[in-house]
Amino acid sequence: DTAVSQTPKYLVTQMGNDKSIKCEQNLGHDTMYWYKQDSKKFLKIMFSYNNKELIINETVPNRFSPKSPDKAHLNLHINSLELGDSAVYFCASSRDRTVANSPLHFGNGTRLTVT
Amino acid sequence: AQKITQTQPGMFVQEKEAVTLDCTYDTSDPSYGLFWYKQPSSGEMIFLIYQGSYDQQNATEGRYSLNFQKARKSANLVISASQLGDSAMYFCAMRTMNTGFQKLVFGTGTRLLVSP
Repeated sequence: DTAVSQTPKYLVTQMGNDKSIKCEQNLGHDTMYWYKQDSKKFLKIMFSYNNKELIINETVPNRFSPKSPDKAHLNLHINSLELGDSAVYFCASSRDRTVANSPLHFGNGTRLTVT
Repeated sequence: AQKITQTQPGMFVQEKEAVTLDCTYDTSDPSYGLFWYKQPSSGEMIFLIYQGSYDQQNATEGRYSLNFQKARKSANLVISASQLGDSAMYFCAMRTMNTGFQKLVFGTGTRLLVSP
């Protein structure tokens, strides 16, 4: 009965490789997000999608490409991985993106390590 | 621009005591929402409590309460009767009208350690 699930939980790869992280939510929410948490634990939004439509692209390098095949899924593909991409990536969803009181529900995170 | 400030990088509290985690925010929007999340060492982000800018009363959820002082732009989290399982990172976050409430902006977090 997991609400927001993302895979894999851990991802270790070499510089220059391409990798994907998958995310699925079964909450029936319309909006999904990708957040990046750096080594100092700071969380920053990367993208948000509403019903498969890109809403926010927060000046993320275009090596990062989100894809939303349907409103329950938001995947993140990263090309040409760099050392600085090492972080924890969180997927999240919310019921309503246009009101103040709609909390984000987060997945458990994917720890990406680039060597 | 909206900003969340958490000035306490770390806090210590003894079990069964109450603790207050500070959060101040900066926005010119009249309509906004404030959230607190908990991140245990296992890494997941857990939503704890919400306070709306127009709410007249402070939010409470079990042992969590939010001390909302609108004029001072502060939204401190109070945890009563601390338990060992409360040891975690705590993040304050905000959504504002000027971004259409589209995104949640986080503070830098406070690490809470509860000792026996």
